[in-house]
Amino acid sequence: QSVLTQPPSVSGAPGQRVTISCTGSSSNIGAGYDVHWYQQLPGTAPKLLIYGNSNRPSGVPDRFSGSKSGTSASLAITGLQAEDEADYYCQSYDSSLSEVFGGGTKLTVL
Amino acid sequence: QVQLVQSGAEVKKPGASVKVSCKASGYTFTGYYMHWVRQAPGQGLEWMGWINPNSGGTNYAQKFQGRVTMTRDTSISTAYMELSRLRSDDTAVYYCARGQQWLVTEYFQHWGQGTLVTVSS
Repeated sequence: QSVLTQPPSVSGAPGQRVTISCTGSSSNIGAGYDVHWYQQLPGTAPKLLIYGNSNRPSGVPDRFSGSKSGTSASLAITGLQAEDEADYYCQSYDSSLSEVFGGGTKLTVL
Repeated sequence: QVQLVQSGAEVKKPGASVKVSCKASGYTFTGYYMHWVRQAPGQGLEWMGWINPNSGGTNYAQKFQGRVTMTRDTSISTAYMELSRLRSDDTAVYYCARGQQWLVTEYFQHWGQGTLVTVSS
């Protein structure tokens, strides 16, 4: 059981918008700790997509955006493309002095 | 450019230990924490802990305390993760990831290529 809860899967057609939620608790996201998001293509290392809730590293398309409210965070992907099909993970910090990940969400582009 | 190059795949028997290396280049090795994250087959990411290459200080996830040891050799800019008393459920890809401090937490912009550790009798 992951400390951060994500839906196992989401799907959308090309061009559509999808969101992936990441729900925590008062000891992590709700405590004010920021959330980061990663994309993982099959057989590769994770790639940083969003840091500090809503900041994109250089090179990440602005189709990807993040937000946080209360004990949850969300990753939104607009203008869905076939190449976005991947696993997505959220990450935050927990008061138990550890980094924590969500269980991951598989995005399928229909 | 930042590069993290890990050692090759390992096959170990239950009860044995494994030591994975992560050689860093393209930045000041002692300036950033090095984290270790593992991923079992078909499963999600699991944070194992970090080492401060400057001081050698460590912080391990509670789940791995007593079984994991993270060390470093600053002369060759290499971090190590040793996991002992291996079990079959330790079979996973182990990644090193350079931490980038963000307020209290850290995020991981640079990752090694991963090292598959298979535990099988």
